[in-house]
Amino acid sequence: GESVGLHLPTLSVQEGDNSIINCAYSNSASDYFIWYKQESGKGPQFIIDIRSNMDKRQGQRVTVLLNKTVKHLSLQIAATQPGDSAVYFCAENSGGSNYKLTFGKGTLLTVNP
Amino acid sequence: DGGITQSPKYLFRKEGQNVTLSCEQNLNHDAMYWYRQDPGQGLRLIYYSQIVNDFQKGDIAEGYSVSREKKESFPLTVTSAQKNPTAFYLCASSSYGGKTEAFFGQGTRLTVV
Repeated sequence: GESVGLHLPTLSVQEGDNSIINCAYSNSASDYFIWYKQESGKGPQFIIDIRSNMDKRQGQRVTVLLNKTVKHLSLQIAATQPGDSAVYFCAENSGGSNYKLTFGKGTLLTVNP
Repeated sequence: DGGITQSPKYLFRKEGQNVTLSCEQNLNHDAMYWYRQDPGQGLRLIYYSQIVNDFQKGDIAEGYSVSREKKESFPLTVTSAQKNPTAFYLCASSSYGGKTEAFFGQGTRLTVV
């Protein structure tokens, strides 16, 4: 979903279920994308990245899908665990020599035991 | 340990005072960044630096200043001109600008009293 004001989009899942977190990016020239996990009061941690010449990339329990046609990125977490509860951000780099990473507003994932 | 260190973790400032937030990295990264995060919000870029003695304004640079005299260090000064400085400040570094993942520090929470 889209963020409204100060309220983050939220996703609540049961432990053991798969989670899918979505992100719409803004710049069609973006060529590098990252997913970060941020726990309360801490800095973001790198989860997985993908370059624009790929549609899918898999890591340990996580998969990132990139749909450049509709400028959409998703993060799939398999067998979600309570320790996965956090805010998840997508970030994009808009290509060229641009050093800037632009972050989305984030999604709060809550895993219920 | 290799990493990026921010200090202090908590900082209180009186209105009208300047304060400086420290960021040090021993990852030998060329690029360093400062982001601001407000409650329930994503990360907004304040300043970034691609190389020593060079830095660029981000999206919300007004009321902030930085220096990059050493590769390892990228301090951020929050000046009295910043109208609403209370926020969580995150420093990051990366080895190749926005084309590789950025590593984040644990943040400094600044409160104006």
